[in-house]
Amino acid sequence: AQKITQTQPGMFVQEKEAVTLDCTYDTSDPSYGLFWYKQPSSGEMIFLIYQGSYDQQNATEGRYSLNFQKARKSANLVISASQLGDSAMYFCAMRERGTGRRALTFGSGTRLQVQP
Amino acid sequence: DAGVIQSPRHEVTEMGQEVTLRCKPISGHDYLFWYRQTMMRGLELLIYFNNNVPIDDSGMPEDRFSAKMPNASFSTLKIQPSEPRDSAVYFCASSFRDRVMNTEAFFGQGTRLTVV
Repeated sequence: AQKITQTQPGMFVQEKEAVTLDCTYDTSDPSYGLFWYKQPSSGEMIFLIYQGSYDQQNATEGRYSLNFQKARKSANLVISASQLGDSAMYFCAMRERGTGRRALTFGSGTRLQVQP
Repeated sequence: DAGVIQSPRHEVTEMGQEVTLRCKPISGHDYLFWYRQTMMRGLELLIYFNNNVPIDDSGMPEDRFSAKMPNASFSTLKIQPSEPRDSAVYFCASSFRDRVMNTEAFFGQGTRLTVV
């Protein structure tokens, strides 16, 4: 079974509007962390935001926020006031504490295009 | 800190040749990860090290792939002999140990490998 599912291969958004990128995950581990990374066309992987399974509040980092719905096992990334520079691939990833495995498991990604 | 440094950035080689990819993690980080990114399979973990010791190599495709970490500041991923299906972007990432789960992995710029 897929651990991380990103169902939107591509998304379009108008500049200055908000956009939500979906991510659902599958785990039986009560302790886990969820991460979002951005990969622009230049190829590097840029960490954006983190949400822990026990965090009471949704994570926020500047224009990025994470809509964490634990019961639904979803961790959607919300980008407010989109900018042209936000055009990139976005990856959701998870680390499960119980396995002791330190590596991240990534979803297939969503390509976001911001239109002027 | 200069971040995770990978070399070369691009490599084109002929089928059957040996290829060596190099990585210098961020100083002080005790975890090092090798990922491979392809269109078909997305981002997949190949192997990771903790304190220079391989912990999980279950993602290494086959015996043609080998990875070493002789010291805390250097790791190599070797493919011998290379095949066209090895063409991909190979990422090295590092992170440090913490008591919680929120330490993100810092990625290098990646090595784009093309085997012809």
